[in-house]
Amino acid sequence: EAGVAQSPRYKIIEKRQSVAFWCNPISGHATLYWYQQILGQGPKLLIQFQNNGVVDDSQLPKDRFSAERLKGVDSTLKIQPAKLEDSAVYLCASSLSVHQETQYFGPGTRLLVL
Amino acid sequence: DAKTTQPPSMDCAEGRAANLPCNHSTISGNEYVYWYRQIHSQGPQYIIHGLKNNETNEMASLIITEDRKSSTLILPHATLRDTAVYYCIVRVTGANSKLTFGKGITLSVRP
Repeated sequence: EAGVAQSPRYKIIEKRQSVAFWCNPISGHATLYWYQQILGQGPKLLIQFQNNGVVDDSQLPKDRFSAERLKGVDSTLKIQPAKLEDSAVYLCASSLSVHQETQYFGPGTRLLVL
Repeated sequence: DAKTTQPPSMDCAEGRAANLPCNHSTISGNEYVYWYRQIHSQGPQYIIHGLKNNETNEMASLIITEDRKSSTLILPHATLRDTAVYYCIVRVTGANSKLTFGKGITLSVRP
């Protein structure tokens, strides 16, 4: 089966610009996650969706970050305006449901903010 | 979720067993031990998980001590492709349970 797809793979922007990342989860997976991974650290959960509803966005910086999953399938994560400290890898993951133990991760989008 | 402690790095020779330790002394009765790994420039990959019994799959074995305060992930015959960061995570299962990643342990497999 196809894995989690993400695009773009790399993005370079200047601070105060906006950027968007796209994720297509594994077919049939109801739960979708966005993580931020800063260099040298483990991934940190930003937001979790169950179908098109938000389950947990407690660590999402809502003043500049937004995410949506309108039709309960693919999702976009947006940063507006970007700051230098947003430079990181943004990982998308999916699982069959919130009760399913295994999360499957995509390759990530590497963002550099100059 | 309980916190885990892992050494920052270790290495092993190709073809030998790699034993990756993890301490989770504050683990509670309903928390599972999960292992993920992250190969360079890839997303994390699930390896194995367990509650209190030892577990084995095609990738690895997980040995959990009787008091559940520590565990060891065993890669029986390490290859160069096993070079990665390995994360030990403790979590409950069920709705809204999170994967909370630490810094993990960097395993380097040498030829």
